[in-house]
Amino acid sequence: SQQGEEDPQALSIQEGENATMNCSYKTSINNLQWYRQNSGRGLVHLILIRSNEREKHSGRLRVTLDTSKKSSSLLITASRAADTASYFCATDFQGAQKLVFGQGTRLTINP
Amino acid sequence: DAGITQSPRHKVTETGTPVTLRCHQTENHRYMYWYRQDPGHGLRLIHYSYGVKDTDKGEVSDGYSVSRSKTEDFLLTLESATSSQTSVYFCAISGGAGVTYEQYFGPGTRLTVT
Repeated sequence: SQQGEEDPQALSIQEGENATMNCSYKTSINNLQWYRQNSGRGLVHLILIRSNEREKHSGRLRVTLDTSKKSSSLLITASRAADTASYFCATDFQGAQKLVFGQGTRLTINP
Repeated sequence: DAGITQSPRHKVTETGTPVTLRCHQTENHRYMYWYRQDPGHGLRLIHYSYGVKDTDKGEVSDGYSVSRSKTEDFLLTLESATSSQTSVYFCAISGGAGVTYEQYFGPGTRLTVT
């Protein structure tokens, strides 16, 4: 399976701290995406990083990609209670419009 | 969720009955997908469509069929529901203007098969 795997499965931190989640995958990709899912809701796209990019920023989000290690990380800086959610990485099937999702990291931000 | 709706949002059905879930989009996106989400498995692709009447299987397609007769509608049918198909089902779309890979998800349908 090409499925990405997130690490850790669950993360609990204090508000204001930084949260880091990692994703590993198995085969070559064209791009990797991160999504957020609030409880009981659909997934929301956060950021896409292409295979020729090493780092990308969007607001308080920072994503890195290391294709040699087949891994990516998502950093959320200055966390807020509203960041409490599950976060998923997703990889493409070499240019196809299909994605394979990992099992997610459940992030809890404690006030 | 604004451009994607799913119906019904909740359904309880009995084993052996047929069930059809509907996904409707107003974004005119080319690609549409059906996923199921189960604890411990994340999201798994059931079927997807790359155009009207063009569909293909995903990772967990057994027991499911799909149809897309119009750009805006993608139907998922469980021909004879089983308890293992109890899950939350999400529809997604992609392929707006230009070549885009981001997917946009509907609110989900919670299906319980008793």
